[in-house]
Amino acid sequence: GENVEQHPSTLSVQEGDSAVIKCTYSDSASNYFPWYKQELGKGPQLIIDIRSNVGEKKDQRIAVTLNKTAKHFSLHITETQPEDSAVYFCAASSGSARQLTFGSGTQLTVLP
Amino acid sequence: KAGVTQTPRYLIKTRGQQVTLSCSPISGHRSVSWYQQTPGQGLQFLFEYFSETQRNKGNFPGRFSGRQFSNSRSEMNVSTLELGDSALYLCASSSVPRYDTEAFFGQGTRLTVV
Repeated sequence: GENVEQHPSTLSVQEGDSAVIKCTYSDSASNYFPWYKQELGKGPQLIIDIRSNVGEKKDQRIAVTLNKTAKHFSLHITETQPEDSAVYFCAASSGSARQLTFGSGTQLTVLP
Repeated sequence: KAGVTQTPRYLIKTRGQQVTLSCSPISGHRSVSWYQQTPGQGLQFLFEYFSETQRNKGNFPGRFSGRQFSNSRSEMNVSTLELGDSALYLCASSSVPRYDTEAFFGQGTRLTVV
C-alpha cells in the first residue's frame, strides 16, 4: 500500500518568513495530493490540493509543488502569520486506493 | 450550511465494553469516511460508506465496524474495547465517492478507554 513520509515534524519560523513542508510517497499510482491544516480541538481542514497533471498550484500565500518523477510534493507558506500556527498534514490517494494516506504531520509555530 | 457533526465529542469507556459513534455529514453529501487519529500512528483510514454500502475498508480488526443509513448519517462501532483504541475518531464527508473530491472533516469524537 501507499506510504507517505513528511518532514520536518516540527517547524518554527518568525512571523513574515516562509515555511516549507515536504512529503514523499511510495505508490506511483497516487495522483491526488491534498494538504490539511488541523488546529487544536478541530478536525483537519483542506487548505490546498494538487493533481498529478499539474506541477504547481498557488492560492494567495499558499503554494504546493509536485514532482511525480521523484515522488515528492511540498507545501510553501509565504509571509507567515501567527494564525498559521497549527499541525499540517500531507496526504495521497489514487483511483485504485481511494482512501487518503496521511503523512505524520508537521507542527508549525509562527513566532511573533 | 452546517458542517460535519460528530457525537458525542468525548467518551470514556472501560476495557471490554463496546461503543458507538455517530456522524452526520454535510447536507447533500452521500459519502462518509472514518479515520482514527493517535499520536503514535497518526491518521489512519478505517472505512468508507456510500449509499449505505461499505466501499472500502482499512487495515483494522473486525472489532471495528460501521454502517450508513438512508439519510447518509453513519455510525461506527468498536466492540471489546482495548486500551489501544483510545484515539480521536474523525468522520469526513464528501459530495461523491471520488478519490479526488474534497473531504470535509468533523471535529471528532475523543474516545478514552480505561
